[in-house]
Amino acid sequence: DAKTTQPPSMDCAEGRAANLPCNHSTISGNEYVYWYRQIHSQGPQYIIHGLKNNETNEMASLIITEDRKSSTLILPHATLRDTAVYYCIVTKGGSEKLVFGKGTKLTVNP
Amino acid sequence: NAGVMQNPRHLVRRRGQEARLRCSPMKGHSHVYWYRQLPEEGLKFMVYLQKENIIDESGMPKERFSAEFPKEGPSILRIQQVVRGDSAAYFCASSPRAGARDTQYFGPGTRLTVL
Repeated sequence: DAKTTQPPSMDCAEGRAANLPCNHSTISGNEYVYWYRQIHSQGPQYIIHGLKNNETNEMASLIITEDRKSSTLILPHATLRDTAVYYCIVTKGGSEKLVFGKGTKLTVNP
Repeated sequence: NAGVMQNPRHLVRRRGQEARLRCSPMKGHSHVYWYRQLPEEGLKFMVYLQKENIIDESGMPKERFSAEFPKEGPSILRIQQVVRGDSAAYFCASSPRAGARDTQYFGPGTRLTVL
């Protein structure tokens, strides 16, 4: 079973920031928080990951709470092409299999 | 640097036939993972392989399914005597090593339809 809890769906207006929450209250000290997204039926696309510090890359920012029990993925300026299912995954990384939950279906509206 | 490649992208088989799905990992990646996504469901892990070795096959059905990753060439997921319930999207991912920060990158998938 997935170790994370996400809202099943969210809406966001185009051009606004999309903030996707994730709860992972049972995360252990050596587990990372990974985010992937799946646009329609394409292969999952890696977005970002972090251990305990906040992370930013060209796609998104990841904010992890100090107790590491929850995190937020931020898409700063959502576009229609960001409409997808977003998966928050807790994993030791590397060789460990990824356990996908149901994710959050983000719909970006014009 | 080319991404993970999978072929064919679409495969149609009749019940009882064999399906062979291929995955070429990203250049420099020696770890391959297969996942399956049944219609309207999430992705489920099937098997993890390194070159010439199966490391974790805990998600593989016990019968009819097998996987290999030979020293040369792509990884192959083989399904014998396919049934309608095997219709799904099969995704392959690869990573460079097994280190904690080594991300899995996914291919575009093979969509198998069993008639």
